[in-house]
Amino acid sequence: AQSVTQLDSQVPVFEEAPVELRCNYSSSVSVYLFWYVQYPNQGLQLLLKYLSGSTLVKGINGFEAEFNKSQTSFHLRKPSVHISDTAEYFCAVSDIVDTGRRALTFGSGTRLQVQP
Amino acid sequence: KAGVTQTPRYLIKTRGQQVTLSCSPISGHRSVSWYQQTPGQGLQFLFEYFSETQRNKGNFPGRFSGRQFSNSRSEMNVSTLELGDSALYLCASSPSSAPNYEQYFGPGTRLTVT
Repeated sequence: AQSVTQLDSQVPVFEEAPVELRCNYSSSVSVYLFWYVQYPNQGLQLLLKYLSGSTLVKGINGFEAEFNKSQTSFHLRKPSVHISDTAEYFCAVSDIVDTGRRALTFGSGTRLQVQP
Repeated sequence: KAGVTQTPRYLIKTRGQQVTLSCSPISGHRSVSWYQQTPGQGLQFLFEYFSETQRNKGNFPGRFSGRQFSNSRSEMNVSTLELGDSALYLCASSPSSAPNYEQYFGPGTRLTVT
């Protein structure tokens, strides 16, 4: 079974500073990678996804992520954060498990706290 | 298109009772998945339904069950509630059960068991 590791449980950063949220997954033949954001008292919203092709993926709200197969990583970045980016961010891996069915496995989440 | 809707949004139940949560997927989506989110265990997969058939099931006890109707709406049921069942239950819909399709999440139902 896949495992997803988000190395930082909390990341404090000042407004307009750059940020990187790290995500590593366990190796697999082919995986599909997602970053979701969760604002307080809300569900998850998709930020971006990697399915194939270019390893640099651009998403909504100025976020981007880079897929690195050799390092099994999919780190999320934003060059300049806003107060409104304060939220919890989840990295997720989707693949086919031994039952032949889809499984979406989430990391434990990183709480991004943007300070003025 | 309207997003995924979940009802009710908040629920308080007593230990030992049972509860039913409802999810209406995005129009045209045939896959519905359920997840449990708790501070201690994070996001955990409960089950996925596609065209009224359970496709996959997570590692939860048999007290957790679900079903999907012909209009793709889904319900999940938890019987004999325990304090540890207090959580945010998220429903997600997708046009396909293939792994390269994203899942669209609803706002969740927050269940509190006292």
